[in-house]
Amino acid sequence: DSGVTQTPKHLITATGQRVTLRCSPRSGDLSVYWYQQSLDQGLQFLIQYYNGEERAKGNILERFSAQQFPDLHSELNLSSLELGDSALYFCASSVSWQETQYFGPGTRLLVL
Amino acid sequence: GESVGLHLPTLSVQEGDNSIINCAYSNSASDYFIWYKQESGKGPQFIIDIRSNMDKRQGQRVTVLLNKTVKHLSLQIAATQPGDSAVYFCAEITQAAGNKLTFGGGTRVLVKP
Repeated sequence: DSGVTQTPKHLITATGQRVTLRCSPRSGDLSVYWYQQSLDQGLQFLIQYYNGEERAKGNILERFSAQQFPDLHSELNLSSLELGDSALYFCASSVSWQETQYFGPGTRLLVL
Repeated sequence: GESVGLHLPTLSVQEGDNSIINCAYSNSASDYFIWYKQESGKGPQFIIDIRSNMDKRQGQRVTVLLNKTVKHLSLQIAATQPGDSAVYFCAEITQAAGNKLTFGGGTRVLVKP
């Protein structure tokens, strides 16, 4: 158990819908990262927050957004969902940018 | 991004033997490297890390070697056990690239009893 929690574990929704994935980092970690893992693209970095502020952006679509709240939990919002958005979405946390990232168990999203 | 899934290279290893998993990286400015293990249905799990000013680091049953000259990273697992069966990813962080973690394509390790 990494100490990072993610909810929900599984999510099934339809194309065009909007979902919110939630992540609680390890106690004391200020950085939160979101990743997408699909069969044909591997693990892709989406976005990083540090203490409430966006720090780095990766291959995140404009339909996706995230935020980190004052209590340091983070949410990833996915809108206008497409079939290709079906993937595992992982959250990771670390104390700071060059410290080890610890991953949560992931949310499996299936868009039908 | 890298391709994974159906096209993952696979390393078959006899239980008790040593495993060596290799990773090539392209960015000579990378500052920090990490090996992760991912079991089916779970998130990546930290194994060991190494900073760019080192060439070797040892953990419990694992050793990471970094060769900056040829931009090569390897993970050695001693006395491989059935519980070591998983997909192993190397990852790199480059401060100049915005501190994002870039993952390699992964290697599937299958331990035969």
